[in-house]
Amino acid sequence: GAVVSQHPSRVICKSGTSVKIECRSLDFQATTMFWYRQFPKQSLMLMATSNEGSKATYEQGVEKDKFLINHASLTLSTLTVTSAHPEDSSFYICSATSLDKPTYEQYFGPGTRLTVT
Amino acid sequence: AQSVTQLDSQVPVFEEAPVELRCNYSSSVSVYLFWYVQYPNQGLQLLLKYLSGSTLVESINGFEAEFNKSQTSFHLRKPSVHISDTAEYFCAVRLQGGATNKLIFGTGTLLAVQP
Repeated sequence: GAVVSQHPSRVICKSGTSVKIECRSLDFQATTMFWYRQFPKQSLMLMATSNEGSKATYEQGVEKDKFLINHASLTLSTLTVTSAHPEDSSFYICSATSLDKPTYEQYFGPGTRLTVT
Repeated sequence: AQSVTQLDSQVPVFEEAPVELRCNYSSSVSVYLFWYVQYPNQGLQLLLKYLSGSTLVESINGFEAEFNKSQTSFHLRKPSVHISDTAEYFCAVRLQGGATNKLIFGTGTLLAVQP
């Protein structure tokens, strides 16, 4: 149980275009979803926290107009990278906490590798 | 503010040898402690966690970690590693009873098991 999926797993886009990444909780309702960014050989950096039906809370230094987060339902959150540039290339990982489980447990998706050319 | 330090970016070890991956944290309040494992091009999987009670926690695949409050450490150990243990290991903390579920991660340690 507690499976989180991400789609797509890999995406290549051209500079200046936008790309949307989906994060779904497959077998549970997610109270909160988190979006992380991971650079090669580095740790996960939290970008934002989102609760269903509310505006996302962004970490300091993360541009909210560039990284649009929508959490429309208890099983789906999306991250849209707008006007992507090569420096946005990274591994994006989402995680979620469950309504039915302790909130200290986060379930991670498999990640989406974004390459901006 | 909380922080997590993993001093070793890479730990090479031979198969069947013991290994210890170090994790130290800094926090003015009580925290929960976690170890996650990340295999290449995959997301993170929870390996083990310390919430309360016994300071020694174990995973199903032979790893264990011991919470040491006085040294603010949560080192991960395995007495005999396998090739399949090769992965990136992340230590993380979360505030106990906080309003946020935010995890703070260390920079990770690559465990490279050699035959």
